[in-house]
Amino acid sequence: GAVVSQHPSRVICKSGTSVKIECRSLDFQATTMFWYRQFPKQSLMLMATSNEGSKATYEQGVEKDKFLINHASLTLSTLTVTSAHPEDSSFYICSASANGGSSYNEQFFGPGTRLTVL
Amino acid sequence: QKEVEQDPGPLSVPEGAIVSLNCTYSNSAFQYFMWYRQYSRKGPELLMYTYSSGNKEDGRFTAQVDKSSKYISLFIRDSQPSDSATYLCAMKTDSWGKLQFGAGTQVVVTP
Repeated sequence: GAVVSQHPSRVICKSGTSVKIECRSLDFQATTMFWYRQFPKQSLMLMATSNEGSKATYEQGVEKDKFLINHASLTLSTLTVTSAHPEDSSFYICSASANGGSSYNEQFFGPGTRLTVL
Repeated sequence: QKEVEQDPGPLSVPEGAIVSLNCTYSNSAFQYFMWYRQYSRKGPELLMYTYSSGNKEDGRFTAQVDKSSKYISLFIRDSQPSDSATYLCAMKTDSWGKLQFGAGTQVVVTP
């Protein structure tokens, strides 16, 4: 299967700082990338969808200015949590899809990034 | 009401037993149904994908979809301790649509 990587896998930061998380598709071109957030023992909640070269589409309730998403190339998307606060602590997971790669446009998930804001 | 309902468990079964998982949904527009397995602190991996009503088998896994009842199931035969994980159902309305996940069921297979 297709491989998606995330970096870093774990990050601890102080309140008020910004954190950037990278999501890379290693062996395919991802025309669409998705960013999810997962709280302990809860399901994945879609935050935003981004298409290469376009502005991200955010889900209702997700602050665009707080969660900056950039999808500058077909293999890289970044999520920047700006002015992070303890309530932003969560597990962030990206997924990537190669539109047209399968009949149902399978999403391949990264291993996730654990963010802890002190 | 959530669009996708899934019992969070935990579901504990002895090794070798059949694991039965299910999800119900309210949106009749859902057409694509997936089951993912997620180990602790890892991203989800796709186990099964189904489009039509009926059964689909892949090794020890069987996915079942009943669109008339808005109910999907995943069965794991001959369960192993390595099957211990959280299983998430997910569905979408079309191939381009966003995935709607269930809450996930934690499964524990005891030796």
